[in-house]
Amino acid sequence: NAGVTQTPKFQVLKTGQSMTLQCAQDMNHNSMYWYRQDPGMGLRLIYYSASEGTTDKGEVPNGYNVSRLNKREFSLRLESAAPSQTSVYFCASSAKYEQYFGPGTRLTVT
Amino acid sequence: QQQVKQSPQSLIVQKGGISIINCAYENTAFDYFPWYQQFPGKGPALLIAIRPDVSEKKEGRFTISFNKSAKQFSLHIMDSQPGDSATYFCAARPYSSASKIIFGSGTRLSIRP
Repeated sequence: NAGVTQTPKFQVLKTGQSMTLQCAQDMNHNSMYWYRQDPGMGLRLIYYSASEGTTDKGEVPNGYNVSRLNKREFSLRLESAAPSQTSVYFCASSAKYEQYFGPGTRLTVT
Repeated sequence: QQQVKQSPQSLIVQKGGISIINCAYENTAFDYFPWYQQFPGKGPALLIAIRPDVSEKKEGRFTISFNKSAKQFSLHIMDSQPGDSATYFCAARPYSSASKIIFGSGTRLSIRP
């Protein structure tokens, strides 16, 4: 039982490049989330998916898109990366109350 | 935008002392108040949580105190240990959106040996 897994662990992009962050969970949870973590800002919600087939914007969705591929997988795409998107990205899943987080992806945009 | 405000931003406590982290929320439309603990290089993990119908919850050395009228809740870590050094986030779940929780800005706790 791996919980929530994320790939890649680290990534460096140049401004304007695109990439997709992958997330998968094996706990049969309905809800999945993407957060970004920046110093002094806490965890800010980018997008979430309350159930398979639905996605909704969170607090900071600009510059990102998501796909809920199936119940297990929820991906985050940066179409044209900007230095302001340098951050640590966490995926999480939940059944009802507790959220389970992945190990994070550290992204640097130069 | 509903908010959860957390203080202090950082905290240094001597081993064996009591660590106290405070949070306040801006409206009453929350039904679940968790605290998450995050070690460097790891994702956050649930530490302890409380519902607004109780004023205190204790699990081992960790206690949440909840003051509904003041819209405040706090985490107390008794007999703080170096292994407690981590970043702590308070959070709140809105009634209106059962899927989401709103996080505070985090407190970096360092326990000095």
